[in-house]
Amino acid sequence: DIQMTQSPSSLSASVGDRVTISCRASQNIGTYLNWYQQKPGKAPKLLIYGASSLESGVPSRFSGSGSGTDFTLTISSLQPEDFATYHCQQNYRTPMYTFGQGTKLEIK
Amino acid sequence: QVQLVQSGAEVKKPGSSVKVSCTASGGTFSDHGLSWVRQAPGHGFEWMGRIISMFITTNYAQRFQGRVTITADESTSTAYMEFNSLRSEDTAVYYCARERIVGATLVGYFDSWGQGTLVTVSS
Repeated sequence: DIQMTQSPSSLSASVGDRVTISCRASQNIGTYLNWYQQKPGKAPKLLIYGASSLESGVPSRFSGSGSGTDFTLTISSLQPEDFATYHCQQNYRTPMYTFGQGTKLEIK
Repeated sequence: QVQLVQSGAEVKKPGSSVKVSCTASGGTFSDHGLSWVRQAPGHGFEWMGRIISMFITTNYAQRFQGRVTITADESTSTAYMEFNSLRSEDTAVYYCARERIVGATLVGYFDSWGQGTLVTVSS
């Protein structure tokens, strides 16, 4: 299986901050990398697919970058509703999808 | 946008089975992939398997092969995940998730998720 490792596992930040979350794959996955946001007790929501494509309806303060083994999710200016857990997922090896362990973004 | 609605929480004994349902409203999954993903306490998501109803095809993660069966009833737009020989470590929230299709190709990411079903395995 392709292992996905996110860092950090948790992060404290303030409204208005720029935040970056990293995801590393155990092998080259090209740009087959997706990001999801999950709020407590809620279903995950797709944010970014193909490493950098913004899902329809997702605010432009979210962006994704990277290729190969190293990827980044950036939130340019944190809003109160962005405090959540973020998950990366590889879809290089279809359909044996694997996810990172999640990064919890908390209010400082 | 399709909504996926799952059945309610379950409490099961070790060694027993559970069957969780996932019903689509406002859309369909028959020409999409419908996957089951679980999240154990303190862990990330774990993909278990999927069904592609149009092709009557199922795929399972190797670690669950033989214990999980995914089926679908297109007449009711409902998918099912049956999980056998439950162990305490199978305690988790189980989600169904629809895999997007572009053209005629499943693209490997999930654009709709169910609300999750907590399955607790305890003696």
